[in-house]
Amino acid sequence: DQQVKQNSPSLSVQEGRISILNCDYTNSMFDYFLWYKKYPAEGPTFLISISSIKDKNEDGRFTVFLNKSAKHLSLHIVPSQPGDSAVYFCAAKVGLTGGGNKLTFGTGTQLKVEL
Amino acid sequence: GAGVSQSPSNKVTEKGKDVELRCDPISGHTALYWYRQSLGQGLEFLIYFQGNSAPDKSGLPSDRFSAERTGGSVSTLTIQRTQQEDSAVYLCASSLYTGELFFGEGSRLTVL
Repeated sequence: DQQVKQNSPSLSVQEGRISILNCDYTNSMFDYFLWYKKYPAEGPTFLISISSIKDKNEDGRFTVFLNKSAKHLSLHIVPSQPGDSAVYFCAAKVGLTGGGNKLTFGTGTQLKVEL
Repeated sequence: GAGVSQSPSNKVTEKGKDVELRCDPISGHTALYWYRQSLGQGLEFLIYFQGNSAPDKSGLPSDRFSAERTGGSVSTLTIQRTQQEDSAVYLCASSLYTGELFFGEGSRLTVL
């Protein structure tokens, strides 16, 4: 039972354009969402997060949007740069403090930013 | 070191052998997690340690898998009688209780 789904295994974008990575979830108890970025042979690193009380969070070139009614979130990267090429994982958890930080991850989307 | 350290980085073993994977978390982090990533799959939760509380073992796929955390620091994930489906990258992460997870580089296990 995949509670966090990333239906696009890969995405290719030209440098300077917008990258949009999508994520859907099924567990209505999730109320905190995160994006992690992973380069080959490295562990995932935290990128940006959003609480369910918000619908948007922005950090530089990265913006995460949350649509609770649709159980959908997206990560926008503008402008995309070649160094953004990596696998992006969407993750979710129940409660900001409950259950510690046990995260449920999606299967990831491989982003390739081309020159 | 400053980050989460895992060893070995690569392990090749024969089916039926036991393996141990080690994780050294960031000093002071109270929580430690094991995840694994099989080919084409997302990160699958295995087990979670938080301070002196009983670990959350709900993600362990079978009783061949076990983990311990000694002295609230280093953790060892043990897989007994390895099977080919155990082949994956095993990732360890640590955090403060409610803080961001910091991942190690992972241990790639290949079971022949």
